[in-house]
Amino acid sequence: GAVVSQHPSRVICKSGTSVKIECRSLDFQATTMFWYRQFPKQSLMLMATSNEGSKATYEQGVEKDKFLINHASLTLSTLTVTSAHPEDSSFYICSARDSDRGNTEAFFGQGTRLTVV
Amino acid sequence: KQEVTQIPAALSVPEGENLVLNCSFTDSAIYNLQWFRQDPGKGLTSLLLIQSSQREQTSGRLNASLDKSSGRSTLYIAASQPGDSATYLCAVRYADSWGKLQFGAGTQVVVTP
Repeated sequence: GAVVSQHPSRVICKSGTSVKIECRSLDFQATTMFWYRQFPKQSLMLMATSNEGSKATYEQGVEKDKFLINHASLTLSTLTVTSAHPEDSSFYICSARDSDRGNTEAFFGQGTRLTVV
Repeated sequence: KQEVTQIPAALSVPEGENLVLNCSFTDSAIYNLQWFRQDPGKGLTSLLLIQSSQREQTSGRLNASLDKSSGRSTLYIAASQPGDSATYLCAVRYADSWGKLQFGAGTQVVVTP
């Protein structure tokens, strides 16, 4: 299957700082990528849809000024958690589909465990 | 409201038994349904994808069925092994969702030796 690489896998940052998470499709192009968040013992909740060359679409209740998404190329989307607080500590995971293959399965990155202290 | 529910939330079986994991969804207008495996602290591994026009998919010991009319999918894992211990998530892509997936809460499986 297609490979989605997410970096870093784990990050600890101080409250008030910003953290950038990268999501790359390694062997395919993805015009659309998705960012999810997972709290302990809970399922994944979609945060936003990242569209190459245009603004991201955020789900209800997700602060777009706090979670900045940039999808500058067909293989890279970034999520920046700005002015992080302890309540932002969570598991963030991205997914992508192969744009050239239409209705295919979603492939996920390895996830990023963010801890804000 | 479109919802995805997985029952049971947790399951423990002895090695060798077959596993049956259930997923139900409220809106039958789905595009496809995907089953994932998640190990603790890790990302998701795609197991099976069933398109809305299909009734089932098989891969090795895994078999997933789909009944759109009743809003249900079942994942069967034959002859379970301790290495099958993980959380299994089902996710539905609805027809009007622009590719977004809606996840169930998952079933945590423990296979004891």
